[in-house]
Amino acid sequence: AQTVTQSQPEMSVQEAETVTLSCTYDTSESDYYLFWYKQPPSRQMILVIRQEAYKQQNATENRFSVNFQKAAKSFSLKISDSQLGDAAMYFCAYRNQAGTALIFGKGTTLSVSS
Amino acid sequence: DTAVSQTPKYLVTQMGNDKSIKCEQNLGHDTMYWYKQDSKKFLKIMFSYNNKELIINETVPNRFSPKSPDKAHLNLHINSLELGDSAVYFCASSQDQAGPIFGGETQYFGPGTRLLVL
Repeated sequence: AQTVTQSQPEMSVQEAETVTLSCTYDTSESDYYLFWYKQPPSRQMILVIRQEAYKQQNATENRFSVNFQKAAKSFSLKISDSQLGDAAMYFCAYRNQAGTALIFGKGTTLSVSS
Repeated sequence: DTAVSQTPKYLVTQMGNDKSIKCEQNLGHDTMYWYKQDSKKFLKIMFSYNNKELIINETVPNRFSPKSPDKAHLNLHINSLELGDSAVYFCASSQDQAGPIFGGETQYFGPGTRLLVL
């Protein structure tokens, strides 16, 4: 069974600085998708970024980028120029090619200070 | 325009009661899901429907029964509520076709329903 591990329960960053959130996963599949979701205090689940496993190029979305290491089964999220509004819980999630359900990690709570 | 909506957003009820949570999506997606987020914020799939057909049914007490009247709606009915059912329940939707052309693997979530059983 696939699993997703986020080893950092909490992280903190200063405004305008860069922070990296870690995620590792375990799968025997070769085709799959990886996601980072953000959950602010409003509890809405917001898609931050996604990566297709067949793509070697790392995904980027404005200040958010990933470091996808397929052989190491690692999928970290880098947030550049951190803003107060980035404070939230961040979930790493996996979905295989054939399946439909997302498998989530336990989340990392990110706090941003001014 | 809300893409995935849930009602109610908050639900406070007594043990033993029966309650329903409704979900609607206007994205034209074929697949809908129910996830449960427990008190430790852990998210886990409960059910998935594709075109009104149940395709995922995780180990969930049979007091929980999903119903999909059409592909835009997926409701969750809970019988004989227990204290341990207190959680946030999220509805989500996606296209049923994953892959680079369709990009259907992305799931879009509703705002969640916070259920508190007293």
